[in-house]
Amino acid sequence: GAVVSQHPSRVICKSGTSVKIECRSLDFQATTMFWYRQFPKQSLMLMATSNEGSKATYEQGVEKDKFLINHASLTLSTLTVTSAHPEDSSFYICSARDSLFRGGETQYFGPGTRLLVL
Amino acid sequence: AQTVTQSQPEMSVQEAETVTLSCTYDTSENNYYLFWYKQPPSRQMILVIRQEAYKQQNATENRFSVNFQKAAKSFSLKISDSQLGDTAMYFCAFMKHGMDSNYQLIWGAGTKLIIKP
Repeated sequence: GAVVSQHPSRVICKSGTSVKIECRSLDFQATTMFWYRQFPKQSLMLMATSNEGSKATYEQGVEKDKFLINHASLTLSTLTVTSAHPEDSSFYICSARDSLFRGGETQYFGPGTRLLVL
Repeated sequence: AQTVTQSQPEMSVQEAETVTLSCTYDTSENNYYLFWYKQPPSRQMILVIRQEAYKQQNATENRFSVNFQKAAKSFSLKISDSQLGDTAMYFCAFMKHGMDSNYQLIWGAGTKLIIKP
């Protein structure tokens, strides 16, 4: 149980294009999902907290117009990197919490998406 | 604000040995959760073990156990009979206790653990 999927697992795009990353909770409902960015050999950096049916809460320094987050259902949140540039290349990870708190406060993580912008 | 500190950037042990990873944290909260997550080379974050601060008993999961010292704000992870598959980055994390689903994980910098054959 408590499986989170991400798609795509890897994407290469040209500078200036937009890329959408999907995060799905497969066997539970997630009112809240989190989006992280991870640079090589570093810890996770929280970008935003996504709540179903409402606007995402972005961390300080994260451009909300560049990283669009939509959480339209209890099992799906999307992150769109708009007008991507090489500096946006990174590893993006989502996580989700069970709405019924069956795992306590545990966050379940997707496998991550590696984005490379040329 | 809460902080989590992992003072060991990298550790290396022989297979079958026991290894302890250190984690300290700072908080003014009385109720909270502590976690150890593992990130192997695949980069999939995997929950290793979780501890609820109001529980005095140390959590254990098979070969993994913690030494939770609330007064000292210390939360170390012990891996017994280490295996090659334990090679990974290990992250210690803190979360406030409560029903607000927006509570964030506060992460340590991580410890790279290498198990040698």
